[in-house]
Amino acid sequence: SQQGEEDPQALSIQEGENATMNCSYKTSINNLQWYRQNSGRGLVHLILIRSNEREKHSGRLRVTLDTSKKSSSLLITASRAADTASYFCATPDSSYKLIFGSGTRLLVRP
Amino acid sequence: GEEVAQTPKHLVRGEGQKAKLYCAPIKGHSYVFWYQQVLKNEFKFLISFQNENVFDETGMPKERFSAKCLPNSPCSLEIQATKLEDSAVYFCASSQLQGQPQHFGDGTRLSIL
Repeated sequence: SQQGEEDPQALSIQEGENATMNCSYKTSINNLQWYRQNSGRGLVHLILIRSNEREKHSGRLRVTLDTSKKSSSLLITASRAADTASYFCATPDSSYKLIFGSGTRLLVRP
Repeated sequence: GEEVAQTPKHLVRGEGQKAKLYCAPIKGHSYVFWYQQVLKNEFKFLISFQNENVFDETGMPKERFSAKCLPNSPCSLEIQATKLEDSAVYFCASSQLQGQPQHFGDGTRLSIL
């Protein structure tokens, strides 16, 4: 079953702009992970944020986590055409399987 | 290997036929997961293994789906008597430790005609 919703469902921006996507989840978590899926490919892990962390950075990625609101956001700064992909948040449940959000399709126009 | 390898990339079967998908997890990874992706969005968990033992099979439609991870062999997911609704991309993922990021293969696209 889906963990929660991601918004927006789709996002179209110009190269160089920032992209922000949001994820909500339903249950308590140990960590929250963000993955990227390029068309026709599998998921690639981007970043993991633990439940006791509020913010984490990795290169052009910035992730925030608000456990009181059960939400997370992924910010991609200075976007590039190569960032065009679908982005999913996911949380491992008690048996470690990932429960995914519904995904955001990002299009970065050159 | 350093990547999760899934074969075949594409599989076409007539309704009612059998389909078998394979996955070679990353060497040293103890956990293997199978997910089904429909409509390019929703991921549905099917089954997971810890080494060769079933860890969680709560997502498996047990009447027609079965899976194995035997030592020194690729893991496999088999669907008997396929139905149109089985058309999807099936992803295999592996991880070294519990709860850690999973490494995904590129999936097998199953088309049931």
